[in-house]
Amino acid sequence: GAGVSQSPRYKVAKRGQDVALRCDPISGHVSLFWYQQALGQGPEFLTYFQNEAQLDKSGLPSDRFFAERPEGSVSTLKIQRTQQEDSAVYLCASSLAQGTQYFGPGTRLTVL
Amino acid sequence: AQRVTQPEKLLSVFKGAPVELKCNYSYSGSPELFWYVQYSRQRLQLLLRHISRESIKGFTADLNKGETSFHLKKPFAQEEDSAMYYCALQYQGGSEKLVFGKGTKLTVNP
Repeated sequence: GAGVSQSPRYKVAKRGQDVALRCDPISGHVSLFWYQQALGQGPEFLTYFQNEAQLDKSGLPSDRFFAERPEGSVSTLKIQRTQQEDSAVYLCASSLAQGTQYFGPGTRLTVL
Repeated sequence: AQRVTQPEKLLSVFKGAPVELKCNYSYSGSPELFWYVQYSRQRLQLLLRHISRESIKGFTADLNKGETSFHLKKPFAQEEDSAMYYCALQYQGGSEKLVFGKGTKLTVNP
């Protein structure tokens, strides 16, 4: 079946703009995760949902970052007033409860 | 704090040689440990997890709680093994988040 998909694949934003990144998880996966991967680094956890409930948002770097999953399926990661340090690849992953996390291709965000 | 350390940023071996990618972790509980791999222009994918005790593509990894290590090994490297390898830790009984190391880029030369 289809894997995790993310859109857009590439996003260029001017500093100060708001961006929204979308994640479509594997159908039936209750858990959904967002990670940020800076150049040359491993993925770093941002937040995760179980169905529509956001159970852990300890990795969100500031209140400019906001994630939602209102119907327990598609999720959106929103970054307000983007800064250059937000430039990174944003990865989404989904899993069955306590299962293996399957990753999407990522969205590469460049903030100019 | 929970931490995963991969001491080698780059590792280069010749085809047919043994390879070992090191991973050490810091965690007070009983972690679940994973190796993820990212081939060129592909997405991150699971290679193996310690509870399954499987050998995938000839790779194995043993959890050593005394040394807090989870090194990845393969006796005979192949050119198609060239990729980025990430070791990751997951808490048991709490948040399902993964904590990743910074990764090791493995190059297998012909």
